[in-house]
Amino acid sequence: DTEVTQTPKHLVMGMTNKKSLKCEQHMGHRAMYWYKQKAKKPPELMFVYSYEKLSINESVPSRFSPECPNSSLLNLHLHALQPEDSALYLCASSQDDWASGGAETQYFGPGTRLLVL
Amino acid sequence: DAKTTQPNSMESNEEEPVHLPCNHSTISGTDYIHWYRQLPSQGPEYVIHGLTSNVNNRMASLAIAEDRKSSTLILHRATLRDAAVYYCILRDDGSSNTGKLIFGQGTTLQVKP
Repeated sequence: DTEVTQTPKHLVMGMTNKKSLKCEQHMGHRAMYWYKQKAKKPPELMFVYSYEKLSINESVPSRFSPECPNSSLLNLHLHALQPEDSALYLCASSQDDWASGGAETQYFGPGTRLLVL
Repeated sequence: DAKTTQPNSMESNEEEPVHLPCNHSTISGTDYIHWYRQLPSQGPEYVIHGLTSNVNNRMASLAIAEDRKSSTLILHRATLRDAAVYYCILRDDGSSNTGKLIFGQGTTLQVKP
């Protein structure tokens, strides 16, 4: 199974709502990532988890709160978002194997398309 | 991370080969060259990577210049399904494995029937 799944596929939320995005992989990968992609732009990294610990936070506003409950699951909790946060949110995973070095590749899910009203 | 430069867009005819160029003049000796592509309404997918030698896999070939300052992704016979944004990305072997993929603007490939 080389798949990264994301739920929901689409999400519409108001600025006062609290919602969560979910990502799951069963490849035994120990690194998981959240990226944000605005329309017609490339993906931008938000967070990286390595062995269930947050290792990179790209200065993301606190209204985005990541969580890694176990090595297969990654959540992104959303609260008090702004309309400009509307985007495609992509999850990815990789082995996090020191032997791979710069050769390590990432596997992406299909994304959750978020609209904030 | 070193920067890459790619043309904004390219066109190809179906069943013909496509050569997608990437310039990375500031590449360091430990940078791997990765290619990902993103089909419409999908997440990016890994295509190929290399360090110094040319590489082939079932999806594509990667030709790396001798000085490593440029590379070319080769799709041997383009199909309509290959229409996507293609990203050329450098990954430093010396950095953390949970490294960022820093996506540039990429090349939008159109394939005409």
